[in-house]
Amino acid sequence: DTGVSQDPRHKITKRGQNVTFRCDPISEHNRLYWYRQTLGQGPEFLTYFQNEAQLEKSRLLSDRFSAERPKGSFSTLEIQRTEQGDSAMYLCASRSRQGEEKLFFGSGTQLSVL
Amino acid sequence: GDSVTQMEGPVTLSEEAFLTINCTYTATGYPSLFWYVQYPGEGLQLLLKATKADDKGSNKGFEATYRKETTSFHLEKGSVQVSDSAVYFCALSKTSYDKVIFGPGTSLSVIP
Repeated sequence: DTGVSQDPRHKITKRGQNVTFRCDPISEHNRLYWYRQTLGQGPEFLTYFQNEAQLEKSRLLSDRFSAERPKGSFSTLEIQRTEQGDSAMYLCASRSRQGEEKLFFGSGTQLSVL
Repeated sequence: GDSVTQMEGPVTLSEEAFLTINCTYTATGYPSLFWYVQYPGEGLQLLLKATKADDKGSNKGFEATYRKETTSFHLEKGSVQVSDSAVYFCALSKTSYDKVIFGPGTSLSVIP
């Protein structure tokens, strides 16, 4: 069990650029979640996958955001035409298939949009 | 929609003081309830959970009881330590397959 891995740890970009983040969940976990956290706030749900199927997307997720999990293993979150309001910590979490309720979180990707 | 409310922080306590962090929730049905903790420089991790009414979750000296009648899940510890300084998040999930909804978090600082 190597834990949930996220890459990169930090990303600085200019407004209008596209960015992509990667998440590698714990290997036997079939459910993967993306959250966004801003300073002083709790994690806000963005979307989640069961295997390769995207089962729910938050209304927070505008058309500029897209997430994929093509083979049911790692996942990517892409933000197109970034805005300053997208600056946040993007967290990935996974859960096992055996009905375990505990979420295992990665360390997150800190995005700064200048 | 479903939501979680927590007492606002920051909370500052002296070592060995008693801790209570209030949490109430709004949800249909019978969600599972959680406390997650984020220590400085570390990722979120589960502290304790309760899956049905009147269950008590406990870990590392922390306790919380699932109170359906008051829709609450208050976190308590009898004697806090400096190492308990962290941000604490109350959360709920309708099923083990559903998303987890987090409260805004309560920052705790324990001073020697």
